[in-house]
Amino acid sequence: DTGVSQDPRHKITKRGQNVTFRCDPISEHNRLYWYRQTLGQGPEFLTYFQNEAQLEKSRLLSDRFSAERPKGSFSTLEIQRTEQGDSAMYLCASSLSGSGANVLTFGAGSRLTVL
Amino acid sequence: ILNVEQSPQSLHVQEGDSTNFTCSFPSSNFYALHWYRWETAKSPEALFVMTLNGDEKKKGRISATLNTKEGYSYLYIKGSQPEDSATYLCALRDTSGTYKYIFGTGTRLKVLA
Repeated sequence: DTGVSQDPRHKITKRGQNVTFRCDPISEHNRLYWYRQTLGQGPEFLTYFQNEAQLEKSRLLSDRFSAERPKGSFSTLEIQRTEQGDSAMYLCASSLSGSGANVLTFGAGSRLTVL
Repeated sequence: ILNVEQSPQSLHVQEGDSTNFTCSFPSSNFYALHWYRWETAKSPEALFVMTLNGDEKKKGRISATLNTKEGYSYLYIKGSQPEDSATYLCALRDTSGTYKYIFGTGTRLKVLA
């Protein structure tokens, strides 16, 4: 297993465009998380899935942000009508329920720059 | 809103110095606390998972303690080396019992050779 993969690693877009990020978790992990990190801040929770069910999401995901995990494997995070304030690193992590510790394994992140 | 605070925000130490950071959190409804190390241009990596009051964990020169009654965890690095330079993050499992984790802002450590 190659760990958690995120694509693209870097995305530059113009304000108003839509962008989509993909995350491929560790294959046996059934939980998948999305976080957003801006300079000087810690990772900010966006949402998490257990299998294909989206169990919790922050208020951010009620508007221009949406996440899916249709088959309980890979996940996509879409941002519609991007704004300059969306510029950030988008981190994906996965974990295994029932493992006790539920350690999060992170991907390398997708850095978004909105011009 | 669950608040996880870390201090200091950043620090510089000389190679060979020992150092420690603090993660503070609400003491009620504690489930678990994680420590992660995030090196520049890499992914955050797990250091410790702590669940019980009084827990002490150690990994090489790095160790951590947990006090859930007063709501804090300490991370210690003994004999800091330049390769320890990273941001150290703590994350608290949400007090509602879900598996959402709330991260602190991190402590950015720079070890000077």
